Amino acid sequence: GQSLEQPSEVTAVEGAIVQINCTYQTSGFYGLSWYQQHDGGAPTFLSYNALDGLEETGRFSSFLSRSDSYGYLLLQELQMKDSASYFCAPEGATNKLIFGTGTLLAVQP
Amino acid sequence: NAGVTQTPKFQVLKTGQSMTLQCAQDMNHNSMYWYRQDPGMGLRLIYYSASEGTTDKGEVPNGYNVSRLNKREFSLRLESAAPSQTSVYFCASNPGSSGANVLTFGAGSRLTVL
Repeated sequence: GQSLEQPSEVTAVEGAIVQINCTYQTSGFYGLSWYQQHDGGAPTFLSYNALDGLEETGRFSSFLSRSDSYGYLLLQELQMKDSASYFCAPEGATNKLIFGTGTLLAVQP
Repeated sequence: NAGVTQTPKFQVLKTGQSMTLQCAQDMNHNSMYWYRQDPGMGLRLIYYSASEGTTDKGEVPNGYNVSRLNKREFSLRLESAAPSQTSVYFCASNPGSSGANVLTFGAGSRLTVL
């Protein structure tokens, strides 16, 4: 089976750092991906973690702990354009890729 | 450099009508997916095709059928549309190799069923 949990909403101010957590239960877990979706747009890929630890891509970093079935997305130096929904998506043994309800990030001036 | 192309972008149907949403990718990806997105519900998987010639049910398959016509194309059919199927539909593709969960999404198809 598969389950996924993320906070529904997060609010932060410009220039701040925000962390979006994701806990999952996935059979035959391979790795965890993160996607960003702006209102009215299509989701776009942000990052993928297959191994434990932190992956950094510019202002965004993603962390994975396989033993805890837990990951997070860290956004630094927040900008107004970062206001969007963020989805984690665990990859399992099949190619059945499930997303959750996502986290709506609101960045305030 | 088209990526994933979905047609149509907008469609209005009456209850009971049928229609097919088309999706094509030009990245030689093995896996393709159909999701629907409703306000506050996130992305829900309808059907997916792990490779050419195979299709499997996702989380919400009822009321839909799919066809993986070839490696490039994956269509979604609503045989008898219902108002509950009003949604934004996204097609996506993935190289399909385990450990390579990098979905590329189409722009979406906005369907209204009256």
